[in-house]
Amino acid sequence: DAGITQSPRHKVTETGTPVTLRCHQTENHRYMYWYRQDPGHGLRLIHYSYGVKDTDKGEVSDGYSVSRSKTEDFLLTLESATSSQTSVYFCAIRTDTPGNEQFFGPGTRLTVL
Amino acid sequence: AQSVTQPDIHITVSEGASLELRCNYSYGATPYLFWYVQSPGQGLQLLLKYFSGDTLVQGIKGFEAEFKRSQSSFNLRKPSVHWSDAAEYFCAVVLLSNFGNEKLTFGTGTRLTIIP
Repeated sequence: DAGITQSPRHKVTETGTPVTLRCHQTENHRYMYWYRQDPGHGLRLIHYSYGVKDTDKGEVSDGYSVSRSKTEDFLLTLESATSSQTSVYFCAIRTDTPGNEQFFGPGTRLTVL
Repeated sequence: AQSVTQPDIHITVSEGASLELRCNYSYGATPYLFWYVQSPGQGLQLLLKYFSGDTLVQGIKGFEAEFKRSQSSFNLRKPSVHWSDAAEYFCAVVLLSNFGNEKLTFGTGTRLTIIP
């Protein structure tokens, strides 16, 4: 499972509240990613990180911010949650093997009421 | 714009029958190609990948996929499906960003139902 955990696994919150999701890895991979999964859209990249304090935007980054102060942790923050951010969020790491495949965490189901 | 297309939203197959799931991509060069499987309520598991060499790649759980450059396709196959193969399947492509950091682009998925 590539040593990836996500917390919390489920969260229900109200519109306008801040939310932080945590991704933790145990294998010291440089690249980490946050995706959201919605029916009919597959997985879409929100933000990614290529090292401590090095992050960049993905295709659906509006309303999200990230931080990476340690190699093992990659945090995703919704500053003011909206109902459109109700989704399942997946964290992933990228290996350095040929092909650079990504391995995914178990996901966090977020509901914004 | 680069894209990944899985034309079949839902496929139903009888147990023991063969399976082919389609994936097409739009990209200027040969990308890295992947198939992932997601069981209900679970994360994504890598089935197989192609990045160079033999265009027919073998994966886990008896799956294989063939890269056809002329058709920009990377179809997933299995000769005989099992009830446990019921899941959602995602094709994905690595595209090179401006900074050289590969980003994975996913198709919208194909949901596979197995009937007895």
